Amino acid sequence: QTVVTQEPSFSVSPGGTVTLTCGLSSGSVSTSHFPSWYHQTPGQAPRTLIYTTSTRSSGVPDRFSGSILGNKAALTITGAQADDESDYYCVLYMGSGISVFGGGTKLTVL
Amino acid sequence: EVQLLESGGGLVQPGGSLRLSCKASGFTFNNYAMSWVRQAPGMGLEWVSTISTAGTFYADSVKGRFTISRDNSKNTLYLQMNSLRADDTAVYYCAKRGLRGTYYFDSWGQGTLVTVSS
Repeated sequence: QTVVTQEPSFSVSPGGTVTLTCGLSSGSVSTSHFPSWYHQTPGQAPRTLIYTTSTRSSGVPDRFSGSILGNKAALTITGAQADDESDYYCVLYMGSGISVFGGGTKLTVL
Repeated sequence: EVQLLESGGGLVQPGGSLRLSCKASGFTFNNYAMSWVRQAPGMGLEWVSTISTAGTFYADSVKGRFTISRDNSKNTLYLQMNSLRADDTAVYYCAKRGLRGTYYFDSWGQGTLVTVSS
């Protein structure tokens, strides 16, 4: 069974830079997994940040960027702001119509 | 503006059935694949099902119990849920997929809560 891995939690200082990663329990993540990223604050619906590895969704500031780093997908936030404090999820497309979410990363800005 | 409005959630006993609906507006509904994603209380997001021109697809956890369908004339997506279990308790989100070949969730509804309990 495919497991998509994310750091359970991460902390960043205001104005700092943080990179969250999205890996596979077995194998490497590539652009062929069409990695996408979402964030969600408590009680709210998710919002789309990044798709097809590095394309920002409409209205997403360029502080957010996506890439492949080594064998993982990555979401980098530069100049972190207080309202970036949120849960961040990645999704990988596994083929045959199947998408798998990572377990999510709780980002704290302090 | 894309809008997705879920309905049909509620309290149901284990073994029961429920049908969720998602009314879409603001885009050409029949041009896009659509998905259901759920979130159990205090837990992460879980992909449930997708319907596209290529067919219907399900997570292993719901295969054989849930059925996704759509009525393009009504711009509405459905999720028929049978043989419900306690671990199906979650907020169910309707999500619009991106352009063909992009495999991501482009827009989200606000969700509808399904509680499976006796």
